[in-house]
Amino acid sequence: DAGITQSPRHKVTETGTPVTLRCHQTENHRYMYWYRQDPGHGLRLIHYSYGVKDTDKGEVSDGYSVSRSKTEDFLLTLESATSSQTSVYFCAISRGLMGDTQYFGPGTRLTVL
Amino acid sequence: DQQVKQNSPSLSVQEGRISILNCDYTNSMFDYFLWYKKYPAEGPTFLISISSIKDKNEDGRFTVFLNKSAKHLSLHIVPSQPGDSAVYFCAASSQGGSEKLVFGKGMKLTVNP
Repeated sequence: DAGITQSPRHKVTETGTPVTLRCHQTENHRYMYWYRQDPGHGLRLIHYSYGVKDTDKGEVSDGYSVSRSKTEDFLLTLESATSSQTSVYFCAISRGLMGDTQYFGPGTRLTVL
Repeated sequence: DQQVKQNSPSLSVQEGRISILNCDYTNSMFDYFLWYKKYPAEGPTFLISISSIKDKNEDGRFTVFLNKSAKHLSLHIVPSQPGDSAVYFCAASSQGGSEKLVFGKGMKLTVNP
């Protein structure tokens, strides 16, 4: 299994509070991704990174920001959480090209009340 | 507009029989396709992939077929086992895999003992 951890694994927060999710990899892979999974929507890309300090938006980036200061860490921040951001968040990594096989972390279940 | 479609949300089969999971795509630029399997409370795991230069790829009990003219791919699992019960995601990429993966909504497979 690829060395990917996510923290926290579960979080309950209130509307309007900031939330940061962390993804940590030990594989030294170049690409890192944040997805959210919702019923009826499958996996949707939020943001991705193609190197340290190099990030770009995915299809559902509104309300989210990311940072990558080290190869191994990719942070997802909800500046002001809303109930629509209640979801399961997955981090993924890939060695090379963006369409290359991606390996996923265990997920973070976030509930915004 | 959904570029990768898994039109059947669920499938139930008997142990030992064949499971056929279907996926359609609309973007003719897609040239690399993957299947992922996801168990509850875990991240998706890579199962099998196929490049558009092939029409079939096998890995043990899993075979993926690609019909480019119909923009259709299918995953065959033979024989199906109860441990195959999971949600299966189809994903696609273009430009030899250099573009972001686009995922379908997923299909829940249940294999009954």
